[in-house]
Amino acid sequence: QVQLQESGPGLVKPSGTLSLTCAVSGGSISSTDWWSWVRQPPGMALEWIGKIYHSGTTNYNPSLKSRVTMSVDKSMNHFSLQLSSVTAADTAVYYCTRDSSNYYDYWGQGTLVTVSS
Amino acid sequence: QSALTQPASVSGSPGQSITISCTGTSSDVGGHNSVSWYQQHPGKAPKLMIYDVSNRPSGVSDRFSGSKSGNTASLTISGLQAEDEADYYCSSYRSGSTRVFGGGTKLTVL
Repeated sequence: QVQLQESGPGLVKPSGTLSLTCAVSGGSISSTDWWSWVRQPPGMALEWIGKIYHSGTTNYNPSLKSRVTMSVDKSMNHFSLQLSSVTAADTAVYYCTRDSSNYYDYWGQGTLVTVSS
Repeated sequence: QSALTQPASVSGSPGQSITISCTGTSSDVGGHNSVSWYQQHPGKAPKLMIYDVSNRPSGVSDRFSGSKSGNTASLTISGLQAEDEADYYCSSYRSGSTRVFGGGTKLTVL
């Protein structure tokens, strides 16, 4: 049973960089699956941020592409998200997920990141 | 990146059936058989209910079913139960190897 756990600061200052890590357990990040980040602003809908393969190949949401960087650390079995130049609009619960052939079958519990000074 | 279109809310009485629609374009829902549906209870992570338009993961009740016609996918819940009250989201592969979610539908069991 794959388990995902997000970690990172819960508070980020405006114009700063949001950094989160997702630890994968119960499975290898080097499997044939992709790994995605999804976010959900309070009271709003889910939004796909992007995905990464263990090779480092990425695909990002075009609306966020200029600010997003994803990376993978196979030795630690985790992957990471960086979102730069954040504003209050980036306040959301951030989920990491396993992207298995175009659907998300495993999700982390989510972590709330608030952008505020 | 525009989201897929879902009704904001639907409701039904216990035992009834309801259907939630998810409308996209030929670049996503209509052009690929990669539509999935998620159930989200308040304060919880989404849960996969349907994948590849009409397939149910192991452990998901057969009261949940999915279909697609043209640019619109649908999730049907039959024999509505109180525990089905939640938010539901559709998702689709979109050309260019990206993904897109719907705006979400709040299901109320009366």
